[in-house]
Amino acid sequence: GENVEQHPSTLSVQEGDSAVIKCTYSDSASNYFPWYKQELGKRPQLIIDIRSNVGEKKDQRIAVTLNKTAKHFSLHITETQPEDSAVYFCAASIWGNQFYFGTGTSLTVIP
Amino acid sequence: SAVISQKPSRDICQRGTSLTIQCQVDSQVTMMFWYRQQPGQSLTLIATANQGSEATYESGFVIDKFPISRPNLTFSTLTVSNMSPEDSSIYLCSVLQGRGYTFGSGTRLTVV
Repeated sequence: GENVEQHPSTLSVQEGDSAVIKCTYSDSASNYFPWYKQELGKRPQLIIDIRSNVGEKKDQRIAVTLNKTAKHFSLHITETQPEDSAVYFCAASIWGNQFYFGTGTSLTVIP
Repeated sequence: SAVISQKPSRDICQRGTSLTIQCQVDSQVTMMFWYRQQPGQSLTLIATANQGSEATYESGFVIDKFPISRPNLTFSTLTVSNMSPEDSSIYLCSVLQGRGYTFGSGTRLTVV
């Protein structure tokens, strides 16, 4: 089955700086890569996703890049704000099937 | 995206008892997923539930411990049987619809 690794496990940045979280996956058949944000005590919320037919996708301050050859994808948050503080999970999936989560990154944005 | 109602939102249960968690979706979906999230950990898939067939369990999870029902395309239940403190976790249902996967609000289970 799929194995998703995520780094770093914790990340602290100053407000206004950028944050980068990286994930690798093992199954070359995976074609859908979502990112979820989970605030304390709440359900995971989809923040951005990318499919294997594109290399990059951007939504305001959030962007995701995908390198299919190397089997890794990354989340980039620019101009971080305190409300970005949360746990972020990457995931990999074959679209329409179950998906597998990374181990999570606890992001703290220091005001 | 789908609206998923999950209940109970939390419960405290005695060891050896069972708890059934319900997941109701506001539209028909083919596949529903059940996840477990232990404190401070990532989400682990328990099983995939398709309507009209047996659920498919991931390695480490068995039907006797986590029986699942899927009577129609909008509803599913997960039962945590013969509970022990190690079963204390958040349990979440999830569906794939439209843009991506949506989660229910979760059930926080504490076994004492």
